[in-house]
Amino acid sequence: EVQLVESGGGLVKPGGSLRLSCAASGFTFSSYSLNWVRQAPGKGLEWVSSISWSRGDKYYADSVKGRFTISRDNAKNSLYLQMNSLRAEDTAIYYCARERVTMVQETLSPSFFDSWGQGTLVTVSS
Amino acid sequence: QSALTQPASVSGSPGQSITISCTGTSSDVGSYNIVSWYQQLPGEAPKLMIYEASKRPSGVSSRFSGSKSGNTASLTISGLQAEDEADYYCCSYGDNFVFGTGTKVTVL
Repeated sequence: EVQLVESGGGLVKPGGSLRLSCAASGFTFSSYSLNWVRQAPGKGLEWVSSISWSRGDKYYADSVKGRFTISRDNAKNSLYLQMNSLRAEDTAIYYCARERVTMVQETLSPSFFDSWGQGTLVTVSS
Repeated sequence: QSALTQPASVSGSPGQSITISCTGTSSDVGSYNIVSWYQQLPGEAPKLMIYEASKRPSGVSSRFSGSKSGNTASLTISGLQAEDEADYYCCSYGDNFVFGTGTKVTVL
């Protein structure tokens, strides 16, 4: 059974830093791209960042670019999100999600998320 | 990329069918069949309901179906049940992943 378990959330002051972790099990971790998706209280889902399975290519939403860094450790089956210069608007539940691909014109394209963790809450407040 | 547009709320009586729309652009929803739908029950993580616009993962009820025409995708729930009351989000991929604004489904 695929399992994704996030940790590392908590209360942090504006301008502070936090590192989220996502421990994976039940699948070949190194064969999948992984993502972080967040949800502010009472709001919708927002894609945050992704890291590819092959070359470790990293992608970020404009709202976090330059402040957040995604990484992975295939030996530990773990995904990370280093969050710096945190702002009140970063307050959200952060989910890690396993990405699946679709063949588009003979090329594999990111497509959907088939497994999600339970999320970890990050609160940025003074 | 701007969020995909969904109606804020949709409601129906038990047994009825409802449809949720998801409108994007030719750069995301309209480009290929890369549209997925997620159900989020209160206090829970999202759950995949439809992928590649119309495919249903194993274990998802056949009452859920998806379609796409041009820049608009749709999720239809047939035979509405009380347990279907939840938030639903569409998602597509253009330059990066983009989610819809979300739709609250209420069973009357």
